[in-house]
Amino acid sequence: EVQLVESGGGLVKPGGSLRLSCAASGFTFSSYRMNWVRQAPGKGLEWVSSISSSNSYIYYADSVRGRFTISRDNAKNSLYLQMNSLRVEDTAVYYCAGDYGDYYGMDIWGQGTTVTVSS
Amino acid sequence: SSELTQDPAVSVALGQTVKITCQGDSLRSYYASWYQQKAGQAPVLVVYGKNNRPSGISDRFSGSSSGNTASLTITGAQAEDEADYYCNSRDSSGNFWVFGGGTKLTVL
Repeated sequence: EVQLVESGGGLVKPGGSLRLSCAASGFTFSSYRMNWVRQAPGKGLEWVSSISSSNSYIYYADSVRGRFTISRDNAKNSLYLQMNSLRVEDTAVYYCAGDYGDYYGMDIWGQGTTVTVSS
Repeated sequence: SSELTQDPAVSVALGQTVKITCQGDSLRSYYASWYQQKAGQAPVLVVYGKNNRPSGISDRFSGSSSGNTASLTITGAQAEDEADYYCNSRDSSGNFWVFGGGTKLTVL
């Protein structure tokens, strides 16, 4: 079964840090570009960051650049998001999602992990 | 431009056909993908590329594109199609993903 399972979410104070993980199974993880997408309560989807299949290309949304770091370990079939200097507006469900290329869209999604930034 | 614009809400009578649109400059260069998201669930890819459906997606769903506008058409809408629908594509630089604001579909 093709699966992505996120973990690491929780409640953190403004200025704090959190590390999200995403475990992949059932597909060739090393062939997929991986992404983090978030959804604030009652809001739409927002792309956060992408990392290419071989770690060569990494991109961030303006809203998180300089605070978040994406990484992956193809040997462990895992994706990560290190989130520092968290803000209240980072509160959201964070999804990991895989795509096989621009044409194919994000065809694999996890169930999401909730991050709440509040004092 | 890195924006994709969708109508916030659309309604359709049961069994009728509805078109959900997505506008953006980057759509002149890149295809859109479409996602269905039901309440409390993760998004699901329903259409990608020129007009392709992942395995298991109903053939009620189809996609098209013209100029700066991409469209998702649901032919013979069913009650289970009631959901939020998001378009997604690359931005004009080709480096970033961008999502539309989403369209809430109500099946009457």
